Order: sequence, then C-alpha cells, then structure tokens
Amino acid sequence: SQELEQSPQSLIAQEGKNLTINCTSSKTLYGLYWYKQKYGEGLIFLMMLQKGGEEKSHEKITAKLDEKKQQSSLHITASQPSHAGIYLCGADNQAGTALIFGKGTTLSVSS
Amino acid sequence: EPEVTQTPSHQVTQMGQEVILRCVPISNHLYFYWYRQILGQKVEFLVSFYNNEISEKSEIFDDQFSVERPDGSNFTLKIRSTKLEDSAMYFCASSVRLVQETQYFGPGTRLLVL
Repeated sequence: SQELEQSPQSLIAQEGKNLTINCTSSKTLYGLYWYKQKYGEGLIFLMMLQKGGEEKSHEKITAKLDEKKQQSSLHITASQPSHAGIYLCGADNQAGTALIFGKGTTLSVSS
Repeated sequence: EPEVTQTPSHQVTQMGQEVILRCVPISNHLYFYWYRQILGQKVEFLVSFYNNEISEKSEIFDDQFSVERPDGSNFTLKIRSTKLEDSAMYFCASSVRLVQETQYFGPGTRLLVL
C-alpha cells in the first residue's frame, strides 16, 4: 500500500523566514493535495498538483511536484504567524477514489 | 463560498451506544466521504458514497458503521455500538467528481466514547 512520509515532523520558523516542507511517496503520485489544519479543526484545501514538474502558488505558498512524481514540496515565503498550523499532504489512492494522508508537519511561527 | 458543514461539533457517548454524525456536503457535489483522525494519528479514509451507494470502503469501515443520504442535503455516518477506540475526529468531505478530484472537508465532529 502507498505511504506518504512528511518531513520535518515539526518546524519552528522565525517570522519573515522562508521554509520548506516535504512529502515523499512510496509510489508514483497521480494526484497530490496539500491541506492545512489548525489543531482540532477541519482540513483547508490549499493546492492540488497532478503533473510532474507542476508548480502552483497561492499568496506566499508555493507547491511543486517533482518530475518523477514521487515527491512534493511546499514552500512558504516570508512566514507569518497566520501560516502556523499543521500541513498535510494527501495523495489519491491507486483507484483515485480516496485520499491517503501523511502524518503532517506542525509549523509554528515565532515573532 | 460554499462549504461542508457537520453537526454536532462534539459528541460524548457511552460505550455501546449508537451515534449518528451528520454532514451537509457542498450542494453541487455528487461524491461524499467520511474520514477519521484518531488523536495524534493520520487522517484515515473510511468510506465513499455516490448515487445512494457505497463506492468504496476501507478495512476500518466494518459492520458497525453505516452511511446514508436520508434526504437531498444530509449525509450521515452511523456507528451502531460504539467502542472506546471509535473516539476520534470524524471528517466529512465532498467532491464534484470521483477520480483525482479535490475533496473539500468539513470542520469535523469530535467523538468521545466513554
């Protein structure tokens, strides 16, 4: 079965600094989704990537799917306290009918 | 902006009791899902539902669980006889299409089984 490994597990960034979160899959990714979750709350959709080499940006967050489609990165530029939360990567299962999630990366931003 | 809603936000129940968790998916979405997240663990897929039928279910979704779309807007998850290990956050999600389509999640129902 497919596994998603996220790194780092947790991260403390100083406000204004750039940071990157990685998601590595044990199998080829056909659909890769980034969500943000605040502790004890729901998942907020950020971005979806499907094609190898694809890169998408929303505000100060950029996500990329590598050419081989087994790894994705999420980059935050000039981090703000509002970026704090748990970032989850999710991938389509083999049939594309359900999502498999990584364990998440907990981001704290200190001012 | 349309969103998925869930009720209740919190539910406390005694072991062996039945619970029903409710969800209102986004109105033009056709596919509905339930996931759960045990505290400190990954979000796990339970079941997907389309056209009044289960499309796919995971190993977690055993005979204690059932889903239903009782009317044109609600989507429910029933746990027949709750166990301590059912304590988790339960998320409903919906999508326009099934395959490789963004799923939008609700805020979750936190279930505590005592």
